[in-house]
This record gives sequence, structure tokens and C-alpha cells, in this order.
Amino acid sequence: QQQVKQSPQSLIVQKGGISIINCAYENTAFDYFPWYQQFPGKGPALLIAIRPDVSEKKEGRFTISFNKSAKQFSLHIMDSQPGDSATYFCAASRNTGNQFYFGTGTSLTVIP
Amino acid sequence: DTGVSQDPRHKITKRGQNVTFRCDPISEHNRLYWYRQTLGQGPEFLTYFQNEAQLEKSRLLSDRFSAERPKGSFSTLEIQRTEQGDSAMYLCASSSRGWETQYFGPGTRLLVL
Repeated sequence: QQQVKQSPQSLIVQKGGISIINCAYENTAFDYFPWYQQFPGKGPALLIAIRPDVSEKKEGRFTISFNKSAKQFSLHIMDSQPGDSATYFCAASRNTGNQFYFGTGTSLTVIP
Repeated sequence: DTGVSQDPRHKITKRGQNVTFRCDPISEHNRLYWYRQTLGQGPEFLTYFQNEAQLEKSRLLSDRFSAERPKGSFSTLEIQRTEQGDSAMYLCASSSRGWETQYFGPGTRLLVL
């Protein structure tokens, strides 16, 4: 059973455009929601994360929007660049950090 | 700066053989995680260590899988009697007491023929 559902599976965006990736969860015990970026042949790298006490967190061109009542969160990449082309994973964890649940990933391609 | 390292990076084995992977976490990181990632999927949690204690194990970790972290430093993941379904990327990650930031290694890609 997929604890975190992610969409879309793939995304193609023009350079300068906005990339939006969505995730949903069911377990209300989750209270930490990170996003990871993975390039081919590499392990995932933490991009940005949020806790449910805030509805939005922004770091540079990356923003997480969080809707606690809907149990959904999304990643927005503003001014998308070809270097952003990678696979993005959302994840969720309880406060103990003992176990992380990942989404199935979104392959982002930013075309020049 | 030494990140998380994993060895080997690639392993090809025949069905029924045993394989062992090693993970060296970032120095002084007390938390260590093992994940499995198949093509087109996100990492799936396998097990978690805090120092040398194995505190969490996923149901994915069948009896053929065993993980150790002696002395709370490096960790090994052994798969006995490998099956073709074990073919995947095995990822290791570590974090400090500030557990939110996991640092992943490059993974070990296993192919079982």
C-alpha cells in the first residue's frame, strides 16, 4: 500500500515556466514532509522540507505548499531551468524519523 | 568532505548466491537507513539503525535479508539465496541527531541473473 501518492509521473516544462508536482497522504501521524531531487546514477538529495504547522515554505525558486485538511502538499519550481531536469520524490515521516515513506517519483524535463 | 559511500557500486550475481553490501555513513552520524529502489519507483524503506541498534525493520526485509551495524559505524546488508526479484538499487542514508536531513549514498545496483 502506497503511503504517499505522487503525480504526475512525468512532466515537461519550458525553460522559465513553473513546474508543479503534487503529493497526497492518508496517515495523519505524518508530520514531516521532505522533497528530494535525484539525478541519474546518484542518490536522492534533500531539496526542501515542511512541517504541517505552516502552509508554505520557500527556498529560492522552490516552494512547498501544504494543505493539512486535504492531506496534500506540492512542490513548485519557479523559473524552471534545464539543470532542474531530474526525478523528484516527495516523502513523509512521523516525528521520530525512524521511517520515511517515498512517493513514486516525477521525472521532470525542462526544455530550453 | 566525505559523504555517504557504498561499496560495491554494481554487483551482478547468479540466483541463489549470497551478496553483501557495505555502507559507510558520514562520520558521527548516528542514524543509518537502508532503502531499496526499483526502476521508476521511489526508495522503499528497509531498515533503520540508531548507533548499533536496529530499531525498525520493514516487512520488505524478508528472512533472507540481514543488516548489521557493528560499533555504530559502517553497516552491511546481506541478501542470502538471491532471487531475480531482488534486482534493484540498494541505497544507504545517514543522518545526525537532527534527523530531518538524510544524506544518501550513490547506491549499489544489484542484478540477479
